[in-house]
Amino acid sequence: EDKVVQSPLSLVVHEGDTVTLNCSYEVTNFRSLLWYKQEKKAPTFLFMLTSSGIEKKSGRLSSILDKKELFSILNITATQTGDSAVYLCAVEAGLGAAGNKLTFGGGTRVLVKP
Amino acid sequence: DAGVTQSPTHLIKTRGQQVTLRCSPKSGHDTVSWYQQALGQGPQFIFQYYEEEERQRGNFPDRFSGHQFPNYSSELNVNALLLGDSALYLCATRKTGGLYNEQFFGPGTRLTVL
Repeated sequence: EDKVVQSPLSLVVHEGDTVTLNCSYEVTNFRSLLWYKQEKKAPTFLFMLTSSGIEKKSGRLSSILDKKELFSILNITATQTGDSAVYLCAVEAGLGAAGNKLTFGGGTRVLVKP
Repeated sequence: DAGVTQSPTHLIKTRGQQVTLRCSPKSGHDTVSWYQQALGQGPQFIFQYYEEEERQRGNFPDRFSGHQFPNYSSELNVNALLLGDSALYLCATRKTGGLYNEQFFGPGTRLTVL
C-alpha cells in the first residue's frame, strides 16, 4: 500500500523565521510529488516535482525531491502570518496518467505568529 | 470560469441515513476524483471517475458509491452513515491524462453525522 508521511505534525514560528517541512514516501510506480497549501477548505497547488535534485522556487517557497532517499522538503523563508496553513504533500503513482492516483500525507500545520 | 463547485457546503445527518454530495468540474475537465478529509488528517482517495465509469478506488467500503453524468459532473453517495463518516469531502477535477499540477479542488462539503 502506498504511504506518505509528513513531519513535523505542527510547528509554531515567528514572522521572519525559516521553516522546513519534510515528506517521505513509499509508493509503487512513482510519477510525481506535489505540495499543496490548505488554508480553509480547498488545497491549492504549490509545486510538482518529478526529477531529483532540481529545486523549484516560487517567491519565498522552494522545494526539492530526492528520489533515491524517497523524500522531499518544502522550505519557506522569511515567513509571514499569511503563510499560516496546513501544508500537504501528495505522491502520484501508477502505470498511466489516466489510472494514476494521489496519496496524501497527514499534513503539517504551520502557525506563524507576528 | 466558475472553477470546481460542490454542493451543499454543509450537511448534518444522523447515523443510518444516506447522503448525496455533488461536484461540477472546471470547464474543460472530464475526470473527477473524490477525497475524504477527516479533521486533522490529509485527504484520503475514495474513487475516480471518467467516461462515466469508476476507474480507480481507494480503501473505502461499498457504502461509498458514485456516479458521473454525461456533462462530467459527479455525485458521491454514502449509505448507512456512521459517526466516522464525518469529514470534509473534496472533489478534484482535471482533464483525462492531464498532469496533477493541473488538477483543481473544489471548496468541499462538510458532512457532520450525529
